[in-house]
Formats: sequence, C-alpha cells, structure tokens
Amino acid sequence: EAGVAQSPRYKIIEKRQSVAFWCNPISGHATLYWYQQILGQGPKLLIQFQNNGVVDDSQLPKDRFSAERLKGVDSTLKIQPAKLEDSAVYLCASRLFGTSGYEQYFGPGTRLTVT
Amino acid sequence: ELKVEQNPLFLSMQEGKNYTIYCNYSTTSDRLYWYRQDPGKSLESLFVLLSNGAVKQEGRLMASLDTKARLSTLHITAAVHDLSATYFCAVDGSGTYKYIFGTGTRLKVLA
Repeated sequence: EAGVAQSPRYKIIEKRQSVAFWCNPISGHATLYWYQQILGQGPKLLIQFQNNGVVDDSQLPKDRFSAERLKGVDSTLKIQPAKLEDSAVYLCASRLFGTSGYEQYFGPGTRLTVT
Repeated sequence: ELKVEQNPLFLSMQEGKNYTIYCNYSTTSDRLYWYRQDPGKSLESLFVLLSNGAVKQEGRLMASLDTKARLSTLHITAAVHDLSATYFCAVDGSGTYKYIFGTGTRLKVLA
C-alpha cells in the first residue's frame, strides 16, 4: 500500500513570495491533516479535512495561509505572502474515517526555508 | 485548551540503562499516541493507546496510559544506540480526532 505522498520535498523562497505544497493521502483515507513543525518543536495542526470539507482550521493563519482538498483526495496548502517565521517542515497526514482507524500516517514532509 | 507536556525534553543515557519518558495532558481523553522521529525524517507511529490501563510493548519500548491521572509513560528497557531519536506523544481531545502533540523528548543513547 502506497504511503502519503508530498511534494516538493524542499523549497527555498524569499520573503513575500508565494509557495504551494501538495499532498496525496493513502487511498481511502477520508481525513487529511496539515501540520507545521518548526525546528525543535512538535507538529502543530494547521487544518483538518474530512473528505473535501474543513473540520478545523482554528490555527491556520488565514491572512496568508489557505488550503483546499478538491474532490476529497489530494490537497494543497498555500502561503502567500511568506514570512521568515514560516520556515518549517510542513507535514501532511491521513487517517481512515471515524472509529475505523485512529492512527495517522505521515508523509515525508516539505522543508520550507524563507530567506 | 488542550495542552500536552512531555518530560524530560532532553535525555542522554548509557546503553543498557532503563528510563521513562512522561506525557501529561490537560483534558479528558481516552486516546493517546506515541511517535518516533529521526533527524530530518517524518513521524513514525509507535503505539496507539485507546483506553485507561492500556499497555503496549514493542521490543525495548513499552507504553502505558492512565486516563484518570491524564498521564502516559514510555519506558525504555536496556537502551541501545538505535533508539536515539525524538519521541512525541499526542492526544486527541474528547474524540475530536484533532491531534495535539507534546513538545517532544530528544533521546540520545551513548555507547
């Protein structure tokens, strides 16, 4: 079974530029998460999707971050414009719906450096 | 607001020794997760604990959950160098499936 796929793996941009990350979850996983992990910290949940609907985006900085999950499969996370403090690893994770499975499966992450 | 705290934050130990990592959380939850992260890598699921008193073991690692005390422990037995990594616990509060991670414990096992 293929795991969670993310691209790109690395991205370097200048502040005020825009960037987009892509995630393809495990087939059949209805729930998808985006996390931000700053160096030396635990992952912080940015947004949670159930199929193509948003369940929780309370920690997403909506003035610069946006995310979508069209057709309930792939998802993109965008930052526009980027700030220096956005430098982090962006992790995508997926899980089965409801009580079918509690475990999250993480992708390899995208390491973003903002200069 | 759900908060998850781990201690210690850093742990340096000799091979062959035993030690315990603690994970405390601030609100009701029956589900707790442990992950391992190697430098520059993503998170790997170690244990899923789904009820009070749950205990799971894999190799030299054993995890337990006390929901009344809002405490989980990850016990390391006879540590080996390969266990060097950062360990995270995570809780999803009251069945929300919204996972809150702890600060992580960076473990270094010295030969």
